[in-house]
Amino acid sequence: GESVGLHLPTLSVQEGDNSIINCAYSNSASDYFIWYKQESGKGPQFIIDIRSNMDKRQGQRVTVLLNKTVKHLSLQIAATQPGDSAVYFCAEKEGGTYKYIFGTGTRLKVLA
Amino acid sequence: NAGVTQTPKFQVLKTGQSMTLQCAQDMNHNSMYWYRQDPGMGLRLIYYSASEGTTDKGEVPNGYNVSRLNKREFSLRLESAAPSQTSVYFCASSELDSGHPYFGPGTRLTVT
Repeated sequence: GESVGLHLPTLSVQEGDNSIINCAYSNSASDYFIWYKQESGKGPQFIIDIRSNMDKRQGQRVTVLLNKTVKHLSLQIAATQPGDSAVYFCAEKEGGTYKYIFGTGTRLKVLA
Repeated sequence: NAGVTQTPKFQVLKTGQSMTLQCAQDMNHNSMYWYRQDPGMGLRLIYYSASEGTTDKGEVPNGYNVSRLNKREFSLRLESAAPSQTSVYFCASSELDSGHPYFGPGTRLTVT
């Protein structure tokens, strides 16, 4: 089985509830932030992104919130479904560079 | 439109053997990346190529070499594999300094 993701923080939610996954980023010069979803045995899949000139961005069932004051990023998933079970990563990029820094991830488990 | 493809999907090497991981993208992206993913470590950048004809070291380049063969292809070579290089390797591509990286499905490498 997939060994990546062992010992990750885990968030367990009931199907149909809303999920909130948090991420603290490290670089105050970062100006672009991304959330990825990674299912077992697969590559990271883009969910949503946000630039530092915004505080909130919404997609289909997902919302990203950015608080630059405390360097915090969150991903909200509405009406969580079994297919949302995966590991979720945040990533940050400093303006003018090609280096993305990835968090270690949070495992989301959806309980039926 | 296949996105980012990687070969092989799985590989087992003995210590000291060499191999090349292949990556290709069909999205006409300028930038390409190689990451490794280890449990609890997140994705770490090995090498990147900002554009065709250029390559630069990332966070963990030791023991690896890369070749940007053309705009589509970016290969990663392990000259003398070590057990510490057991990992999942992901290739990614993005537009030059804009937009999020798209990831391939990964190569699971075990060095014994």
